[in-house]
Amino acid sequence: QKEVEQNSGPLSVPEGAIASLNCTYSDRGSQSFFWYRQYSGKSPELIMSIYSNGDKEDGRFTAQLNKASQYVSLLIRDSQPSDSATYLCAVCLSGGYNKLIFGAGTRLAVHP
Amino acid sequence: GAVVSQHPSRVICKSGTSVKIECRSLDFQATTMFWYRQFPKQSLMLMATSNEGSKATYEQGVEKDKFLINHASLTLSTLTVTSAHPEDSSFYICSASFPGINEQYFGPGTRLTVT
Repeated sequence: QKEVEQNSGPLSVPEGAIASLNCTYSDRGSQSFFWYRQYSGKSPELIMSIYSNGDKEDGRFTAQLNKASQYVSLLIRDSQPSDSATYLCAVCLSGGYNKLIFGAGTRLAVHP
Repeated sequence: GAVVSQHPSRVICKSGTSVKIECRSLDFQATTMFWYRQFPKQSLMLMATSNEGSKATYEQGVEKDKFLINHASLTLSTLTVTSAHPEDSSFYICSASFPGINEQYFGPGTRLTVT
């Protein structure tokens, strides 16, 4: 059973702080990793994808990948109340299936 | 990102009836679409992978005769929940990906309530 693990939270951070979200996965052959943001009652929105070890930055978001440790993280700088949502880590299974396995999500609450 | 639409956004139906949900990729041709189900406070669970012009591939535990998937064109996939029961009440979400790309873009979802 391929798994993706996330801390369910809630992770509470003050406005302006850095929010750090973590994810581990079990499929050692996975090569594609994604972070989605999901507001309550809405569908997921893709915010970051990462395929290589290291950091990838896009605006206030930085994704970090360490395939040896099977670990993906998402940093949100200068957190805003509008960032309050559930963040889903998704891993594309190896083997050419093109299927994503989602973690249960981490709920982030940014308070003013 | 790509635009994916779903229709209807909400549907309430009586137990025993069938409901059809449409998923369209509006600005690209999606050879593969995916159908997910999400129960309250749970993560997304993949139900099936839909490939244009061929039969859908269902995940373990998903009844293919109950959840009928048709992917007749490169921009449209449909999910029909047949003989719906209250336990089928859920948030159904489709996604689509560009050919050769693993990124999936989600539709806005359909909230199904079976009474």
